[in-house]
Amino acid sequence: ELKVEQNPLFLSMQEGKNYTIYCNYSTTSDRLYWYRQDPGKSLESLFVLLSNGAVKQEGRLMASLDTKARLSTLHITAAVHDLSATYFCAVDDKTSGSRLTFGEGTQLTVNP
Amino acid sequence: NAGVTQTPKFQVLKTGQSMTLQCAQDMNHNSMYWYRQDPGMGLRLIYYSASEGTTDKGEVPNGYNVSRLNKREFSLRLESAAPSQTSVYFCASTRTLPSPLHFGNGTRLTVT
Repeated sequence: ELKVEQNPLFLSMQEGKNYTIYCNYSTTSDRLYWYRQDPGKSLESLFVLLSNGAVKQEGRLMASLDTKARLSTLHITAAVHDLSATYFCAVDDKTSGSRLTFGEGTQLTVNP
Repeated sequence: NAGVTQTPKFQVLKTGQSMTLQCAQDMNHNSMYWYRQDPGMGLRLIYYSASEGTTDKGEVPNGYNVSRLNKREFSLRLESAAPSQTSVYFCASTRTLPSPLHFGNGTRLTVT
């Protein structure tokens, strides 16, 4: 059974600082997704990473994928309050059809 | 463009009651999903439908049934609600993986 683990689960950081969220998964896959969820809201897609070494950036967020290590990272640069949200990674295990398995989520709080 | 529409938004049930959560998408997507979200557990897949006419179990299918009524609609039924089914339920759809999922706004269900 595919397992997806994120760490940390809770992250409190100051504005202007950098930090990284890690996503490990237990099976061979080269399809990794990042989503954002604001409190009480739905999830929205941030990035889709589809190959080893893939890197995508949007504003202060950059995601990368290392399929050999079964690891994805979401790097936050010079955090601002608007980035406060819960971030989920998800993995698509192609061998199980169309299933998408999510990690537990990382709740990020950016303090002024 | 409505995207993914879930009804109802809120529901309170007594133990043993039944209900159906409705989900419809207007993006001509092939695949549809039902997830539940509980604190500290991320999103867990209940059932999914890779294409019209097919449905498959996810991680936590017990106590639920689904119907892919047509390409647009995917309903989730609780035949005999239990307090353990208190959760936020999200419906999602995608053209096909690895395109990202589009999520509805969720249904908050409380079973007393």
